[in-house]
Amino acid sequence: DGGITQSPKYLFRKEGQNVTLSCEQNLNHDAMYWYRQDPGQGLRLIYYSQIVNDFQKGDIAEGYSVSREKKESFPLTVTSAQKNPTAFYLCASSIQLTDTQYFGPGTRLTVL
Amino acid sequence: AQTVTQSQPEMSVQEAETVTLSCTYDTSESDYYLFWYKQPPSRQMILVIRQEAYKQQNATENRFSVNFQKAAKSFSLKISDSQLGDAAMYFCAYRRALISNFGNEKLTFGTGTRLTIIP
Repeated sequence: DGGITQSPKYLFRKEGQNVTLSCEQNLNHDAMYWYRQDPGQGLRLIYYSQIVNDFQKGDIAEGYSVSREKKESFPLTVTSAQKNPTAFYLCASSIQLTDTQYFGPGTRLTVL
Repeated sequence: AQTVTQSQPEMSVQEAETVTLSCTYDTSESDYYLFWYKQPPSRQMILVIRQEAYKQQNATENRFSVNFQKAAKSFSLKISDSQLGDAAMYFCAYRRALISNFGNEKLTFGTGTRLTIIP
């Protein structure tokens, strides 16, 4: 089945620890994105990548880092510098930047 | 900057009836895309419908249709014959059509409307 997978579904982290969220797609899409969703708000863009080995900051990149070493994978690291990391994180992909974005099932991160 | 406003935090509709969700947006661009995404309790965002601003014809996908009023910057979603599976948060989203070197790619989302279906 083609699609976008995110793991884990739920993630707990202690304050001061870095944590990495996984996003994989087998749709052969060039572009990938990370969004954050907080209660009562829409999604906000953290980082995006239009091609392998290239990525750009979105609106709320502070405290986050990404890599794009493979077309299929776009992991997001939430660092200890992120002041309020508890949120729902959604990964998306599109054929190219100009195309419709499709979303994965999300990861719920809770900082204890 | 573009903004998307959904003024109805919650809506409810009787099963099999029709409901309309509102969305307005602010932009100075002439060419752009508008989307409705559905987020059920599983929280996965599912594309419902997409509208290109240059097209005058309103998009339709089965029981879902939009009323796109470009001059008024309005983009409402009509759900006909509502079903229990339609219960979800619905998000309106905007994206510029013109891609420059970087920066136009993001989707700008509204805050969502929670739709409840009454059996």
